[in-house]
Amino acid sequence: DQQVKQNSPSLSVQEGRISILNCDYTNSMFDYFLWYKKYPAEGPTFLISISSIKDKNEDGRFTVFLNKSAKHLSLHIVPSQPGDSAVYFCAASGGRDDKIIFGKGTRLHILP
Amino acid sequence: EPEVTQTPSHQVTQMGQEVILRCVPISNHLYFYWYRQILGQKVEFLVSFYNNEISEKSEIFDDQFSVERPDGSNFTLKIRSTKLEDSAMYFCASRRQEGQPQHFGDGTRLSIL
Repeated sequence: DQQVKQNSPSLSVQEGRISILNCDYTNSMFDYFLWYKKYPAEGPTFLISISSIKDKNEDGRFTVFLNKSAKHLSLHIVPSQPGDSAVYFCAASGGRDDKIIFGKGTRLHILP
Repeated sequence: EPEVTQTPSHQVTQMGQEVILRCVPISNHLYFYWYRQILGQKVEFLVSFYNNEISEKSEIFDDQFSVERPDGSNFTLKIRSTKLEDSAMYFCASRRQEGQPQHFGDGTRLSIL
């Protein structure tokens, strides 16, 4: 069951540059999308979300873009900082379902 | 900033024994959840709880599992007779209302021997 797919298990980006994390989904009933960040030995920390009625949401260095026709969303982090090194989970919910469906995660390494 | 807190951080239990995982959701939150992550796999939904009853559960959440909100602050997950395959990180989450994100605790690592 791969309703939310993150096809890149890892990504390395130079400090100060832009990090772009991608996510695809298959369920057209999803109407709310989230990104979570996770450090080792901690739980997922909410980062940013977007409703399906929007195509962009920005919060400081973090921007999420949603392309509903392509069933694709992306998270942009700019500029990338060392503390951004973590695993990033794309997640979605929608329809009558309250639960969140997670992707497998992308491990982001910010290089000095 | 308010947090979801989970205890214990690590629980080791013999197969067949009962285990209770505890969570204190954020105080003004109304919706409560349990998820689990088996090593190397995705975070998976187990159950959601609202207004003192289960609102949704996954097929993982069989008769061996139960949840309870015994008082105004705690939210517990009980596994009646643990199996080896129950070994995982268990995350509790809560949210204030619809349309708002779920906030997660740091998890309980459950190891079944």
